Amino acid sequence: EAGVAQSPRYKIIEKRQSVAFWCNPISGHATLYWYQQILGQGPKLLIQFQNNGVVDDSQLPKDRFSAERLKGVDSTLKIQPAKLEDSAVYLCASSLASGSFVETQYFGPGTRLLVL
Amino acid sequence: KQEVTQIPAALSVPEGENLVLNCSFTDSAIYNLQWFRQDPGKGLTSLLLIQSSQREQTSGRLNASLDKSSGRSTLYIAASQPGDSATYLCAVEGSNYKLTFGKGTLLTVNP
Repeated sequence: EAGVAQSPRYKIIEKRQSVAFWCNPISGHATLYWYQQILGQGPKLLIQFQNNGVVDDSQLPKDRFSAERLKGVDSTLKIQPAKLEDSAVYLCASSLASGSFVETQYFGPGTRLLVL
Repeated sequence: KQEVTQIPAALSVPEGENLVLNCSFTDSAIYNLQWFRQDPGKGLTSLLLIQSSQREQTSGRLNASLDKSSGRSTLYIAASQPGDSATYLCAVEGSNYKLTFGKGTLLTVNP
C-alpha cells in the first residue's frame, strides 16, 4: 500500500514570506497529524484532524499557522508570515483511528523548511 | 504535562555489541509506548508498540520493555549492525491518540 505522501520535500524562503505544505495520508486513514520537528528535538504535534474536524490544535501558533483538511483526505499546512524559528522538518502522519490504542501512526518523509 | 526523556542523547558502539536505550516519562497514565526509528532525511518508522497492560514486545533483534508504574522503558538491540545506525525515538500515547516524543538517541554502529 502507498505510504503518506508529502510535498515539497525541501523549501527555502525568506522571513516574512508565506509557505504551504501538502500531505496525502494513507487511503482510509481517518486521523491526520502535522508535527514540527526542530533539529535535535523530537516531533511536536501541531494539529490533529479526525476526518475533516480538528481534534487538537493546542500547540499550533494560530497567529501565523493554519491548516485544513478538506473532504477528510488531503491536508495543507500554511505559515504566514514565516519566522526564522520556523525552520524545521514538518512531518505528516496518519492512522486508522479505529478506536483501538494498539495502532500506530504512519509518517511521511517530511518537508524540510529553511527560513533565511 | 507529559514529558519524555531519552538517555543517552548519542551512543557509538562497535558492530556486534548489545546495547540498551533508555526512555522515561513523567505521567504514567499512558495507553501505550512506542519506539520509532528515524533515518536522516526520512520520516519515522514504528519499531515496537507496547500496550500499557504489557511488559515487553520483541521483534527480531529488538526487545522493548515497559515499567508503567516507574515511568520507564528500555529498547534492547542485540548484535548491533551498521544498518542499525539511526535516531531512535520513544513516544508515549495519551488520550485522543496524542503522541509525546522524547528528543531521541542518535546511534552509530561502527563496522
